Amino acid sequence: LAKTTQPISMDSYEGQEVNITCSHNNIATNDYITWYQQFPSQGPRFIIQGYKTKVTNEVASLFIPADRKSSTLSLPRVSLSDTAVYYCLGPRYTNAGKSTFGDGTTLTVKP
Amino acid sequence: DTGVSQDPRHKITKRGQNVTFRCDPISEHNRLYWYRQTLGQGPEFLTYFQNEAQLEKSRLLSDRFSAERPKGSFSTLEIQRTEQGDSAMYLCASSQLAGVGGDTQYFGPGTRLTVL
Repeated sequence: LAKTTQPISMDSYEGQEVNITCSHNNIATNDYITWYQQFPSQGPRFIIQGYKTKVTNEVASLFIPADRKSSTLSLPRVSLSDTAVYYCLGPRYTNAGKSTFGDGTTLTVKP
Repeated sequence: DTGVSQDPRHKITKRGQNVTFRCDPISEHNRLYWYRQTLGQGPEFLTYFQNEAQLEKSRLLSDRFSAERPKGSFSTLEIQRTEQGDSAMYLCASSQLAGVGGDTQYFGPGTRLTVL
């Protein structure tokens, strides 16, 4: 089963930029890379999705190198409310809907 | 609110009882997923539907688990003869499979099951 690898935890301070990298060596040609944020006792929330190069939206940027075997979620100027678990959604089987979450990265933002 | 909804939000039951959870996806979404999440772990895929067809089931889904999506809209997940190991958050997600783009899933708030 295709699997992603992320750091288990990261610490940061308010106002800093945070970069979380995910490895997905088994990514298939038609797979997109999706990141989610999850707070305790809530369902995951979609943050950003991309296929290659760079994608930016109002909350984050996603950098994907040419080989697509990894991706980096960038959160600019984090605040205390960004403390959460961040998941890189792994590749799925081609032609199937199965989506594989890893164990995520717990980001703790300190004042 | 046009997001994914789940009912109930919390369920406490005794071992051996049957429980049923409901998920109402975003109305135009044709794919619906069920996941299970235990404390400290990422969501684990259980099954998914495209319209009313159940296309994939995880090995995690034992014979005690059954899911339906009878008219391609809401879905139910039933657990028969619950065991303490079934205690978890059960998450539902929906997506709209399109010709281009990734399969972006939108999650509901989850149903927290506690089996005593």
